[in-house]
Amino acid sequence: EAGVTQSPTHLIKTRGQQATLRCSPISGHTSVYWYQQALGLGLQFLLWYDEGEERNRGNFPPRFSGRQFPNYSSELNVNALELEDSALYLCASSWRGHLLDPYEQYFGPGTRLTVT
Amino acid sequence: QQQVKQSPQSLIVQKGGISIINCAYENTAFDYFPWYQQFPGKGPALLIAIRPDVSEKKEGRFTISFNKSAKQFSLHIMDSQPGDSATYFCAAGGGSQGNLIFGKGTKLSVKP
Repeated sequence: EAGVTQSPTHLIKTRGQQATLRCSPISGHTSVYWYQQALGLGLQFLLWYDEGEERNRGNFPPRFSGRQFPNYSSELNVNALELEDSALYLCASSWRGHLLDPYEQYFGPGTRLTVT
Repeated sequence: QQQVKQSPQSLIVQKGGISIINCAYENTAFDYFPWYQQFPGKGPALLIAIRPDVSEKKEGRFTISFNKSAKQFSLHIMDSQPGDSATYFCAAGGGSQGNLIFGKGTKLSVKP
């Protein structure tokens, strides 16, 4: 079974530009989560999508946005990039219908975003 | 109330020794406590998870101990191996928010 996939692997952007990151969940999973992993800061929750709807949002400015498509894949958009947006962006997926562990999340390899 | 505090920040253990990483949480609504292992350049991999209705869960060399009254849980790695060298994250989840709250991570180095 294929795991969570993310693209691109690396992304280099200039301050002020926009970045688009993509995620495909594990087959059968309907929830997608986005996390930011900046150096030394652990994983910070960004966004949670389930069944095409945004269900929860972390403490990030509105220039971080995203959406989930009918096939449950998702994209994260970061507008007006700032230097401190440089980080590893991780996508995770889960199946909320899992009776025992609806919170069981599986991560992709991440997209390394560098803002210069 | 949403924080998960993890310690130590880094840990050096000899091959064959026991590695112990601790986490504490504040929100009593949390009811799912996973541990993730992350190697450099990779995404975190789910290692083992526990619910608060049990005090211990063991999978191979990895054991989670859970103390509900103290709001603490820990990961024990028995017979630690150099291949276990990685960063370990504890997390907590539950209620309606869906997402996990992560600790800041522990960098484990197992010396041969």
